[in-house]
Amino acid sequence: EIVLTQSPGTLSLSPGERATLSCRASQSVSSSYLVWYQQRPGQAPRLLIYGASTRATGIPDRFSGSGSGTDFTLTISRLEPEDFAVYFCQQYGRSSYSFGQGTKLEFK
Amino acid sequence: QVQLVQSGAEVKKPGASVKVSCKTSGYTFTSFGISWVRQAPGQGLEWMGWISPYNGNTNYAQTYQGRVTMTADTSTNTAYMELRSLRSDDTAVYYCAREEDYYDSGGLNYYYMDVWGKGTTVTVSS
Repeated sequence: EIVLTQSPGTLSLSPGERATLSCRASQSVSSSYLVWYQQRPGQAPRLLIYGASTRATGIPDRFSGSGSGTDFTLTISRLEPEDFAVYFCQQYGRSSYSFGQGTKLEFK
Repeated sequence: QVQLVQSGAEVKKPGASVKVSCKTSGYTFTSFGISWVRQAPGQGLEWMGWISPYNGNTNYAQTYQGRVTMTADTSTNTAYMELRSLRSDDTAVYYCAREEDYYDSGGLNYYYMDVWGKGTTVTVSS
């Protein structure tokens, strides 16, 4: 099973700042199978990025994804108040999914 | 619009079973898979398995093999997840999610969960 490790566990920033979230895989992952979700408190996860870098419908362009192989990054260029949430990466491989443990983006 | 509406909260005793439903609308039910994902209190997301409503094929995470059954009723466009022999550590929010699986013009395959239900809270307590 591919293990995804996200860092940092918690990121403390202010609105307007840039956020960089990391997702590292224990073995190489196909970029087309790497996904990012956002989860606000009390809500279901929401699809942000699929295929490592393609924004889902309705996702603002301040969100961007990059990376390949074992290292992937989610970047939020200028944080808005509604962006403070938990972010999960996910991979699909060998007919199963695994998630990272999440990065909590909190107000500084 | 695409919607996945899940059944209400459940409270079960250890050893019992729970069956959660996920009623879909706004798309062709048999054209997309349904995954089930759970989240224990304060924890991350854990994939439990997948079902194809088209042919009923399932794929369960090894952790749940023998204890979970996923089904789909094409007459009501509803997916179900039954978990048996409940333990206290099965206390969690259970989500259904529509799975997108497609090939782009270049032949690249994509998998992701594009629409999620709001979740069903299952509490296991004696």
